[in-house]
Amino acid sequence: AQKVTQAQTEISVVEKEDVTLDCVYETRDTTYYLFWYKQPPSGELVFLIRRNSFDEQNEISGRYSWNFQKSTSSFNFTITASQVVDSAVYFCALIRWGAGANSKLTFGKGITLSVRP
Amino acid sequence: DTAVSQTPKYLVTQMGNDKSIKCEQNLGHDTMYWYKQDSKKFLKIMFSYNNKELIINETVPNRFSPKSPDKAHLNLHINSLELGDSAVYFCASSQSAASIEQYFGPGTRLTVT
Repeated sequence: AQKVTQAQTEISVVEKEDVTLDCVYETRDTTYYLFWYKQPPSGELVFLIRRNSFDEQNEISGRYSWNFQKSTSSFNFTITASQVVDSAVYFCALIRWGAGANSKLTFGKGITLSVRP
Repeated sequence: DTAVSQTPKYLVTQMGNDKSIKCEQNLGHDTMYWYKQDSKKFLKIMFSYNNKELIINETVPNRFSPKSPDKAHLNLHINSLELGDSAVYFCASSQSAASIEQYFGPGTRLTVT
C-alpha cells in the first residue's frame, strides 16, 4: 500500500519569508513518481513538478525548489521569498509505475499555505 | 480548447435526488478517472476506466455509478444523494493506464442540501 503524509496542515507566513512544505511517503515499489500540485482559491489543480524514484537531483524553478531524499522517503518543497499569490493548498502525491501499475495517484492531505502581505 | 472539461461546474441539489456529472477529454487519451475532494480537501480516487473498461473501483457506495460511453467521456451518476456526497469531483485523463501523467479537469462542486 502507498501512503503520503503531509504533517503540516496549515502554514502562515509573511510575504518574502521562505517556507518549506514537507512530504513523506511510503511505498514498497522501487519504481514510482512523486508530484506536487497547487490548488489556488479558484479550485483547479495545478501541476508543479514530477520526480521519478531514480532521480534524486534537486530541482529549482524560479522561487520554487524541491528536495528529494530517498533515504528519508521525503520530497520537500521550498518557496523562496513567498508572495501573496502563493497562498493555496499544496498537495504531494505518489504514483506507482511499471508492470502492474494502474496509475492510481495517492495524495497527501494537503497543506494550506497563507501568505500575508 | 479545454483538454479536460466537466459539466456542470457547480451543482446544488437536494437529498434523495439523482444527478450526473459529465466529463469529456479531447486529448485522445485511453484512460479516465474520477477523484473526490471532500470538505477537508482530501483527494481520493474513486474510479478509473481504460478504453471504456473499469480498472479501478475504490470503496465507493454503489449509489455512485460511472459510465463511459466512449474513450473520450466518463460520466458519474449519483443516486439518492446524501449530505456526505457534498464535495468537489475532479475528472482526469491519461494517455494509458500505465501513464504517470494525469490531466485534471476544473472540478465540479456538488452541494447537497
